[in-house]
Parts: sequence; structure tokens; C-alpha cells
Amino acid sequence: DVKVTQSSRYLVKRTGEKVFLECVQDMDHENMFWYRQDPGLGLRLIYFSYDVKMKEKGDIPEGYSVSREKKERFSLILESASTNQTSMYLCASSFGQGSYGYTFGSGTRLTVV
Amino acid sequence: EDQVTQSPEALRLQEGESSSLNCSYTVSGLRGLFWYRQDPGKGPEFLFTLYSAGEEKEKERLKATLTKKESFLHITAPKPEDSATYLCAVRGGTGTASKLTFGTGTRLQVTL
Repeated sequence: DVKVTQSSRYLVKRTGEKVFLECVQDMDHENMFWYRQDPGLGLRLIYFSYDVKMKEKGDIPEGYSVSREKKERFSLILESASTNQTSMYLCASSFGQGSYGYTFGSGTRLTVV
Repeated sequence: EDQVTQSPEALRLQEGESSSLNCSYTVSGLRGLFWYRQDPGKGPEFLFTLYSAGEEKEKERLKATLTKKESFLHITAPKPEDSATYLCAVRGGTGTASKLTFGTGTRLQVTL
């Protein structure tokens, strides 16, 4: 089974801190994605990458950046954390055109205080 | 812009009481409609992909159907372990990557 592993289940950070969320997948998938999930808003795409060193903005990229130096790893960076970035962050990966769907990680619940 | 609307927001069923969840969508050039199941505190788990109107997919007590404007997830004789949030998503357009647009989900609770 494909595994997508997110480094932390829970994180508490202070306003203004730089925050790194790490995601690793083990099945050689080209595509990787970062979503955030909030009650009533569903999953919203922050950034995605379809190849090493490639990245594209999703629907809500403001306040975030990403890094993909290796195929298996996709990092989400909050440059200066704010309280409105408190959320559940979900990483996902997919093969090719994603016909078999995404495989999601278990999520990181980030609280910014 | 692709849009997905799911209804109802929440649904409570008794064990064995069949029902359907709805997913309405607008997309320019559908390249797949996806159903996921999400348990509390976990990431979504892939269930089905549908591509064209009239297509149906089944898995245990779940059956997904697709028309040109909506998809239904039919749940037959549900059990308490079917309790979860069910998410619908679409992939459209002609972009290079397979990004999905998600609905806000239907929270299903099945009681004894």
C-alpha cells in the first residue's frame, strides 16, 4: 500500500514563527499536494507539485510556500505563522492523472497561538 | 471555476435504513468525479472514480452513480461502521496536474 507520512500529528506554534510541515510518500508518485481543511469550508488546495522542483499555486497560496527537492518529499512552509492559519493540513500524492485517486496522509493539526 | 456542492450536510440513519448522498458539480470538461471517506482525525480514503454519465461503481454497501450534473452515493443497509464523512471531488479543465476540487462533505451517522 502507498503510504503518505506527515511528520507531525499535532503542532502548536507562536504567531510569527516560521513553520515547516513535512510530507513523504513511498510509491514514486509524481504529483504531491497540500490542502488545508476547515469546518464548513472543506478541503482547499494550497500548493501542488507535479515534478521535482516544480510547484504551482492552488486556490489559497497566500502566506505559504513549498519546497520539493526530492520526488518523495514535499514540504509546506508558513513563512510567518498567523492565527488564521490554525487548521488541519493534509498532504496527498497521486500517480499520473490521478485516476486511482489521491492517497492522503493522516494530517497535521496546527494551532497558532 | 470548478464547484462542488454536497447535500445533506449531515445525515443520521438507523442500521439497515438505506439512503443516498448527493454531489452536484459544475466543471469545464469533467476528467473524473471522486468519492472519498474520511474518519475523524484521519485523512480521506479513496473510494471511487467515475468518468462519464451513466457509469456506476460498487463497493460493499456503497454504490456511486454519475449524471452530467450530479453524482449519488447510495448506501444500502448501512452499518454503524459506515459512519464517516463522505467527500466528493471533481477534476476538470486541461491543466497538467490532476488537482481536485472538493465539496464540504456529508457527515453520516449510522445508529443501532
